[in-house]
Amino acid sequence: NAGVTQTPKFQVLKTGQSMTLQCAQDMNHNSMYWYRQDPGMGLRLIYYSASEGTTDKGEVPNGYNVSRLNKREFSLRLESAAPSQTSVYFCASKLQGTIGNEKLFFGSGTQLSVL
Amino acid sequence: KQEVTQIPAALSVPEGENLVLNCSFTDSAIYNLQWFRQDPGKGLTSLLLIQSSQREQTSGRLNASLDKSSGRSTLYIAASQPGDSATYLCAVKYNFNKFYFGSGTKLNVKP
Repeated sequence: NAGVTQTPKFQVLKTGQSMTLQCAQDMNHNSMYWYRQDPGMGLRLIYYSASEGTTDKGEVPNGYNVSRLNKREFSLRLESAAPSQTSVYFCASKLQGTIGNEKLFFGSGTQLSVL
Repeated sequence: KQEVTQIPAALSVPEGENLVLNCSFTDSAIYNLQWFRQDPGKGLTSLLLIQSSQREQTSGRLNASLDKSSGRSTLYIAASQPGDSATYLCAVKYNFNKFYFGSGTKLNVKP
């Protein structure tokens, strides 16, 4: 099983450029998440989607937009990249509303540098 | 604001030692708590999940405990091995779909 697949793995942008990070899961999960991980700060939630057709802001949504394209895919877009968005980005997914089945499954991450 | 703290930030132990990693949280009204392992350059892998009604969970050499009243969880690793070297993170779930992560403890097990 592929699990959660993120593309690209690495990306370098110049300030002001735009890009979309792609995420797809093949586990028939309802909920999907985008996190960023910065040194010493743990993971911070950017946006999440509880189910197909819905999205909600997390702790640090400014400068980002998301699209839940279908049940499998959840993309993260940076419209005008800033150096403060240099980070490692993780996509995650889980089943929704099933007690005992709330394990989060993560992709391998995208390392983004904004110069 | 929900806060999750992990101390120490880094830990180095000789192979074979039993060790305890700590996770504390400010609000005791949690739904569940998960412990994750992260290897360098990789994503997170869920190790153990404890529901709010449970006191502990075990998987092999790992045992996680939960004390909601004191806002603490511990991850006990028995007979540590070099292959256990990684960063360990805890995450607390409060409301329906949000998880709050600690910044992790980087473990180094020396041969």
